[in-house]
Order: sequence, then structure tokens, then C-alpha cells
Amino acid sequence: DVKVTQSSRYLVKRTGEKVFLECVQDMDHENMFWYRQDPGLGLRLIYFSYDVKMKEKGDIPEGYSVSREKKERFSLILESASTNQTSMYLCASSHNTEAFFGQGTRLTVV
Amino acid sequence: DQQVKQNSPSLSVQEGRISILNCDYTNSMFDYFLWYKKYPAEGPTFLISISSIKDKNEDGRFTVFLNKSAKHLSLHIVPSQPGDSAVYFCAASGGDFGNEKLTFGTGTRLTIIP
Repeated sequence: DVKVTQSSRYLVKRTGEKVFLECVQDMDHENMFWYRQDPGLGLRLIYFSYDVKMKEKGDIPEGYSVSREKKERFSLILESASTNQTSMYLCASSHNTEAFFGQGTRLTVV
Repeated sequence: DQQVKQNSPSLSVQEGRISILNCDYTNSMFDYFLWYKKYPAEGPTFLISISSIKDKNEDGRFTVFLNKSAKHLSLHIVPSQPGDSAVYFCAASGGDFGNEKLTFGTGTRLTIIP
């Protein structure tokens, strides 16, 4: 059974903190993605990676960076958290087109 | 610029009736379309997909229709059941990054009334 695991379900951080969201997949997929979900805005792509050490900006990369040192792990980094980054963050992986999602991390920045 | 649009934020349907969720897209390079279902506090799960070479795909109670000329797709659920209450996202792939990148719509919250 396919599995995408995000390190935290809920996270509360202070403004200005550096935040790491971790995602691990066990399906040997090449592609990994970070989305955020906000009411009325759907799922918006932040960054994606199609290979180790490769990354591409999505639709809303500002304020974020990513790291993919190993095929199974894709990290999202908030360099200096701000209140407008309070959101549900979803990691996904895919081989062809069908993407498999993690359970999500609800991040609150106070 | 929203390339995939779901114009109905919410929909309520009586149990046993048909639910029809709609999705429009603007990018003519999209060639593969998917529907995902999402419960609160969970990640989206894949439901059904369709390639642009087809106009219909069926899987049990779920059927997706694609009208390429209108750049429109719809998801039909029949009969609707209480467990179908969730947020439904349509997604599309193709274009610059081929099948590697999915663009999602804004979602439709479906409520099935017992």
C-alpha cells in the first residue's frame, strides 16, 4: 500500500521562526510536490521536484524553499514564518500522473 | 490566473439522487484530468481520471465526462451516498511539465442529505 508520511499533523510556530516540514514516501516515486490548501483557493502548488536535488517553482514559491537530498524525502522550509503562511500543507508524490498525498500538516503561525 | 476552475463552491444533494460536479479549464495543453476527494484533516485521495483521447470514463458509481471543445469536465456520482460528503477537487496535467505537475481547481464541497 502506497504511503506518503508528513512529519507533523499540527504545528504552531511564532512569526519569524524557521520552519521545516518533512515528507517521506515509500513508493520510489521520482516526483514530489508541496501544496497548500486555503479556503476558496483550492490546492496551490508551492514547489515540486522531479529528481533528487532538482526543484522547480510552483505557482506560489515566495517565502518558501525546498530540499531534496534523497529520493524518498522532500522538505519544505519557511525561512521566516509569517502569519499569512498559516495554512494546511500537503505533500504528494507521483510516478506518472496520479499523485498520492500525505495526511497534511496544519500549520499555525502566531 | 486560475487555469482550472470549479465555479460551485458547494452543492447539496439528496441521498440516492445524482450529484454532478463541474470543472472548467483554460489551458488547451492539458491532456489528462483527475478528480480527488478530500475529507477534513486528511489528504486528498484519487477518485477517477480521464485522458483527453476519451470523452467518458466510468468506475462504479463514478463517471467522468470530458468535453474538450468546451474545455469542460464533470463528475457524476449516482446514487449519492452519505459517505460521499467531502470536498472534491478536479485537477489537470499536461503542458510545459507534461504529466509531472498537477494543477488543481478550488474545490466543491458536496453535502449528501440523508
